[in-house]
Amino acid sequence: EPEVTQTPSHQVTQMGQEVILRCVPISNHLYFYWYRQILGQKVEFLVSFYNNEISEKSEIFDDQFSVERPDGSNFTLKIRSTKLEDSAMYFCASSNTGEDQPQHFGDGTRLSIL
Amino acid sequence: EDQVTQSPEALRLQEGESSSLNCSYTVSGLRGLFWYRQDPGKGPEFLFTLYSAGEEKEKERLKATLTKKESFLHITAPKPEDSATYLCAVQAGYQKVTFGTGTKLQVIP
Repeated sequence: EPEVTQTPSHQVTQMGQEVILRCVPISNHLYFYWYRQILGQKVEFLVSFYNNEISEKSEIFDDQFSVERPDGSNFTLKIRSTKLEDSAMYFCASSNTGEDQPQHFGDGTRLSIL
Repeated sequence: EDQVTQSPEALRLQEGESSSLNCSYTVSGLRGLFWYRQDPGKGPEFLFTLYSAGEEKEKERLKATLTKKESFLHITAPKPEDSATYLCAVQAGYQKVTFGTGTKLQVIP
């Protein structure tokens, strides 16, 4: 069964550094998402991406964050000038269409900011 | 603002002891309600989508139902491998999905 893959599985970074989290969505999916889950808390929506542009974003997704689909298969989340509170699991998801259809998740990247 | 509340927070069952998990939601214009299973250190795994009140979906020992204000995930004769955190999520707007905090289920052999 096709799946969403994320790399790396664990990223350790010094505060203030930039990180790029990578995702390969399911190949025939058109909508891509990033979520985060702080330890012990609920999964929170960050951003959705369709047709090479952001289609929706939450208040969490501020100027520190950016997303890109650099080629036909990868989808990335860049976090500039990381802060301690950015430590979390970051999940990528994709769906066939944007509305009403289930989003399929990868196993996440654990981001630890020191 | 969309809200999703799940109860109980944790549930411990003996193998074979059936029970139900609750998801209460407040949204303006529900487009879909989703149930996911999450194992430790893994991403949410899709189980069901429900679209309208009265709808039911089944998969093995799991059955999900939906009313206008809540959804239930019924687990019949659970096995230890059903141990996981079960997440409820709603989609009301465009694409954003709002998750609840989950119910952590432990099934004891």
